[in-house]
Amino acid sequence: QVQLVQSGAEVKKPGASVKVSCKASGYTFTSYDINWVRQATGQGLEWMGWMNPNSGNTGYAQKFQGRVTMTRNTSISTAYMELSSLRSEDTAVYYCARGLRDIVVVVAEYYYYYYMDVWGKGTTVTVSS
Amino acid sequence: EIVLTQSPGTLSLSPGERATLSCRASQSVSSSYLAWYQQKPGQAPRLLIYGASSRATGIPDRFSGSGSGTDFTLTISRLEPEDFAVYYCQQYGSSGGFTFGPGTKVDIK
Repeated sequence: QVQLVQSGAEVKKPGASVKVSCKASGYTFTSYDINWVRQATGQGLEWMGWMNPNSGNTGYAQKFQGRVTMTRNTSISTAYMELSSLRSEDTAVYYCARGLRDIVVVVAEYYYYYYMDVWGKGTTVTVSS
Repeated sequence: EIVLTQSPGTLSLSPGERATLSCRASQSVSSSYLAWYQQKPGQAPRLLIYGASSRATGIPDRFSGSGSGTDFTLTISRLEPEDFAVYYCQQYGSSGGFTFGPGTKVDIK
């Protein structure tokens, strides 16, 4: 079945970096984007960025520009999200999610869809001195 | 950047009742880029609706989505015990990024 398996919990000190992995199975890894979304305890969902595993192209939320790097290793169908210069506010659960882009043609009109259809279970990152 | 506002913040209902959740955008959103997710405590979000009104695979037909422009609605026709959760709307914008609404919690009255 299609699934995304994330790496285990991390505890980091302020100023350090963390790298979270997301291993895909059950589908062709290079055919779908990988998005990263985080959620602080008791808070809502915050989108961090996307990566195209085929090209390696990325797009980051402005808030994380300069601090986040999304990469992949296609030989093992794994995506990575690295966040640097960690601070206490980065304590959160980090999710990877498959991004599905679709185009539907209805009576010669093109409809473009993009949504996250499969999610990993999340990786807890705790930043504490 | 488009801001999504969800209302109410909390909806207290009984099983069997109808739930109507609202998602309002600060400017017009393409319907095809509007999605709804359900999240239960300790779990990852689950896709319910994409393209404003299309149910994702395996989603019961008691869930329906509607709307266009700046106003979108998620309706749960008859609440089942497993439907009590937090619901988020999400849009994909022209700037190439996603934004989520703050969520609506549906809890048991």
